[in-house]
Amino acid sequence: GQQVMQIPQYQHVQEGEDFTTYCNSSTTLSNIQWYKQRPGGHPVFLIQLVKSGEVKKQKRLTFQFGEAKKNSSLHITATQTTDVGTYFCAGPFDSWGKFQFGAGTQVVVTP
Amino acid sequence: GAGVSQTPSNKVTEKGKYVELRCDPISGHTALYWYRQSLGQGPEFLIYFQGTGAADDSGLPNDRFFAVRPEGSVSTLKIQRTERGDSAVYLCASSHGMSDTQYFGPGTRLTVL
Repeated sequence: GQQVMQIPQYQHVQEGEDFTTYCNSSTTLSNIQWYKQRPGGHPVFLIQLVKSGEVKKQKRLTFQFGEAKKNSSLHITATQTTDVGTYFCAGPFDSWGKFQFGAGTQVVVTP
Repeated sequence: GAGVSQTPSNKVTEKGKYVELRCDPISGHTALYWYRQSLGQGPEFLIYFQGTGAADDSGLPNDRFFAVRPEGSVSTLKIQRTERGDSAVYLCASSHGMSDTQYFGPGTRLTVL
């Protein structure tokens, strides 16, 4: 079936370091969205990417949509303790509103 | 303005009982989504509405699950003959249009004993 895979599942980062998390889809996506969920919280929208090869930045976060629109990445520079949480990517399959989420990358930051 | 609200925040029920979970979307949002999230997993799509109609209900696990949105605003997710495997956090989200930014509610934690 259609799948959205995220790697790594867990990411332990030293404060101040950079890291990247990846999202891969089994099929071409019309768009991809990224969400962040803090422990005990609900998913909060970060960004939406629509165009092939699109790159968007939000302060220390850089999001990229692959040329084939089947993969995406989130790169965080100079990680801070506020970056702790689980990052999910999601894309629509079959119909415009049927979003499939990846299993997420859980980020733990060591001071 | 107010965000997406969900009630109750917690629901504990016994196996075999019927439960209703309510979602109040952001005013003016035409699209509404229901997801189920188990520990350590991403949200699992159940159903979404565009206006009053269920545009895609292919994620509902079986016929014990049903959702309505009679006036195109508030939605209710109904689960009949609950099973222990139904225990999860049920998340509701709304968006201005399909495929737009989704705003999630705080969720309802359902525990089936």
